[in-house]
Amino acid sequence: DAKTTQPPSMDCAEGRAANLPCNHSTISGNEYVYWYRQIHSQGPQYIIHGLKNNETNEMASLIITEDRKSSTLILPHATLRDTAVYYCIVRVGGNYGGATNKLIFGTGTLLAVQP
Amino acid sequence: EPEVTQTPSHQVTQMGQEVILRCVPISNHLYFYWYRQILGQKVEFLVSFYNNEISEKSEIFDDQFSVERPDGSNFTLKIRSTKLEDSAMYFCASSATSGTIYEQYFGPGTRLTVT
Repeated sequence: DAKTTQPPSMDCAEGRAANLPCNHSTISGNEYVYWYRQIHSQGPQYIIHGLKNNETNEMASLIITEDRKSSTLILPHATLRDTAVYYCIVRVGGNYGGATNKLIFGTGTLLAVQP
Repeated sequence: EPEVTQTPSHQVTQMGQEVILRCVPISNHLYFYWYRQILGQKVEFLVSFYNNEISEKSEIFDDQFSVERPDGSNFTLKIRSTKLEDSAMYFCASSATSGTIYEQYFGPGTRLTVT
């Protein structure tokens, strides 16, 4: 699995958009980008994933650069409950050969939403 | 919304004792996982399980660990002879297999304290 680089921490004002960057410059063509978050001591929570197109769901948007070497997770209107560690993970997924189900977590970005 | 449940929420045991951590995955899911997180450290993959057998395991998952799906709903992690360094939060997760969607849903965790 390709490695990812994320800033260790970020602040965001409540109600503003939170933009969390992730660098995955060695990503392979069959590797997806996944985002999870972990609110203090709870189990990680799936947020969103994508391969090369931008994706949006009820929680967030995922913007993947055209060369796929980096991505940004966007929480459009951050709330205090979004304070968590956010993990960007890349792995072979879907129906590609070599798909693995294990998630390799890094240290993530601690997002602190300020009132 | 369906969720993964885990029992107990906190388990205290003495070094050398056997412990069994229990999980009830989401009912229509087919893949099951255990992860652990030592306090202040990363979430680490232990094992994945599919079709009544281990599909992947990490180097952490040695002979002291075993997993079982004893019936149609439970998934267990057994540690035969606990060590102090087994103290951690243990998370169970499950995922469905449908197309390219492989997000894993995590339970709230069991905090294992070995004294």
